Amino acid sequence: EIVMTQSPATLSVSPGESATLSCRASQSVSINLAWYQQKPDQAPRLLIYDASTRATGIPARFSGSGSGTEFTLTISSLQSEDFAVYYCQQYDDWPPLTFGGGTKVEIK
Amino acid sequence: QLPLQESGPGLVKPSETLSLTCTVSGASISTSNYYWVWIRQPPGKGLEWIGSMYSSGTTYYNPSLKSRVTISLDTSMNQFSLKLISVTAADTAMYYCARGEWVQFGMMGWFDPWGQGTFVTVSS
Repeated sequence: EIVMTQSPATLSVSPGESATLSCRASQSVSINLAWYQQKPDQAPRLLIYDASTRATGIPARFSGSGSGTEFTLTISSLQSEDFAVYYCQQYDDWPPLTFGGGTKVEIK
Repeated sequence: QLPLQESGPGLVKPSETLSLTCTVSGASISTSNYYWVWIRQPPGKGLEWIGSMYSSGTTYYNPSLKSRVTISLDTSMNQFSLKLISVTAADTAMYYCARGEWVQFGMMGWFDPWGQGTFVTVSS
């Protein structure tokens, strides 16, 4: 099973600043990685797939990078609606498909 | 109309069977363009993939749940279902259904969109 580790667990950021979230895989997943955003009491929403491709309707301030075992989600100029929990998910080797434990982006 | 909508009992007794249905709108569940997924999230915790089903009938389950899980399709109702037997309190969670996208045909990829979720409590 591929273990996905996200860091930090919580990130405190001021509105307008940028945030950098990390996701590490226990073995290479190539670019087979997605990022999701989950707001309180809502279902997760796809942000990024194939490590760096934004999903339909996702603002350009969200960007993904990385390959292999190290991935980054960058949110530039954080807006109030961006404070949420973010999860990464690998789909390179399964079953099982696996998620990271999440990073909570909170208002500083 | 939501693309995916979960339904089912919100309370299940320990040792009994959890049964949920996901009604799909806007796409035929028989299509080979997507696959169909169940995911769960215990209170305050992260996401756990339960399993997936292809329109061909092929299923993949999380090894941690495989002995207790069945996912099936009902093409006449455009729905897919989850059954989890012998539930315990550890199965208390928000259960989501989602549509899966292929990386290439037969290779499961990301999930989009998701249903709004349904919370299931396991308690006597």
